[in-house]
Amino acid sequence: EIVMTQSPATLSVSPGERATLSCRASQSVSSNLAWYQQKPDQPPRLLIYGASTRATGIPARFSGSGSGTEFTLTISSLQSEDFAVYYCQQYNNWLGTFGQGTKLEIK
Amino acid sequence: QVQLVQSGAEVKKPGASVKVSCKASGYTFSDYYIYWVRQAPGQGLEWMGWINPNRGGTTYAQKFQGWVTMTRDTSISTVYMELSSLKSDDTAVFYCARGGAGFGSGSYLNAFDIWGQGTLVTVSS
Repeated sequence: EIVMTQSPATLSVSPGERATLSCRASQSVSSNLAWYQQKPDQPPRLLIYGASTRATGIPARFSGSGSGTEFTLTISSLQSEDFAVYYCQQYNNWLGTFGQGTKLEIK
Repeated sequence: QVQLVQSGAEVKKPGASVKVSCKASGYTFSDYYIYWVRQAPGQGLEWMGWINPNRGGTTYAQKFQGWVTMTRDTSISTVYMELSSLKSDDTAVFYCARGGAGFGSGSYLNAFDIWGQGTLVTVSS
């Protein structure tokens, strides 16, 4: 099983600032990496797939980068609605796995 | 519109089984794999496995092998996830999701672009 490790567990950032979230895979997942946003009592929402492709309707302030084992999600200028929990997920083989999540909170 | 609609909340006693449904609409049901994800209260997302609605093939995470079963009924565009021998720490929200972003239809190499609303399963004596 591929283990996905996200850091930090909690990130405190002020509105309008940039947030950078990291995700590391225990072995290469190529570019088969997705990022999701989850707010309380809601299902997750797909933000990024293919490591860097924004899903339909996702604002341009969300960007993804990386390949192999190291990935980054960047939110360029935080809006109030961006404070949530973010998960990475690899789908490089028939057994997918999620990271443990990063909680993005208001500083 | 494309959507997945799940069955309602369930309360089960320890040792019982639960079967959650996920009805797809707005797209060709057989084109995309359906996945199941578990989320215990206050915890993260846990990948459980998938079913290929076209051929019915399944793959389960090792943790769930032997006590989860995923099936589908193509006549009503619905997939099911059954979990047996429930314990109190199995209390969780279960989500179905469509694997529709990445390599496209017919592949399991996809991110989850559409999610059901979630089904809370409470296990309590």
